[in-house]
Amino acid sequence: ETGVTQTPRHLVMGMTNKKSLKCEQHLGHNAMYWYKQSAKKPLELMFVYSLEERVENNSVPSRFSPECPNSSHLFLHLHTLQPEDSALYLCASSQDRANTEAFFGQGTRLTVV
Amino acid sequence: AQSVTQPDIHITVSEGASLELRCNYSYGATPYLFWYVQSPGQGLQLLLKYFSGDTLVQGIKGFEAEFKRSQSSFNLRKPSVHWSDAAEYFCAVRYNFNKFYFGSGTKLNVKP
Repeated sequence: ETGVTQTPRHLVMGMTNKKSLKCEQHLGHNAMYWYKQSAKKPLELMFVYSLEERVENNSVPSRFSPECPNSSHLFLHLHTLQPEDSALYLCASSQDRANTEAFFGQGTRLTVV
Repeated sequence: AQSVTQPDIHITVSEGASLELRCNYSYGATPYLFWYVQSPGQGLQLLLKYFSGDTLVQGIKGFEAEFKRSQSSFNLRKPSVHWSDAAEYFCAVRYNFNKFYFGSGTKLNVKP
């Protein structure tokens, strides 16, 4: 039990589909993150939410739309994706203090066909 | 710009041999430093962290890391590697309250 749960674990979608990734944390944290992990690339920080407010958007294309309805849940809404968006999407959470670590979910493996 | 560098993309060691994975960071102030491990298709698990104090920190699974300010390094070590340690290892830095930045990772292969 990681404390950070991501669903689904695997997702295959067409370029015209709309889907959503879900992340839930049971750790009482107040900051949540989306990362993209592609083959042979470093982890890319996509979005950061702190106290349910988006505080970071790292030039992510608008076809990715995050939503944080409360401090325990984070969504990533996907629409009209491209094949190059295929990757492992990782959710993480932490306390909103500098001297704490991030806890990661197991990720959603997304394949865009 | 702040950055994290892991110079070794792949490392192969024999089971029972010692291991050192290198990490260098670029940041003006004292950073908060982490090592994570990732098995294939899984999320990242925290091995250890450094915030302040003793520069040699102990982690899970027999790993340790040493913070050297003069070298801007935070290298991960293990005295005797087990086959189950084969995975990818990431060094990370936290600066500002909500930014964790990761190195590109080092894949560890363990020979029997």
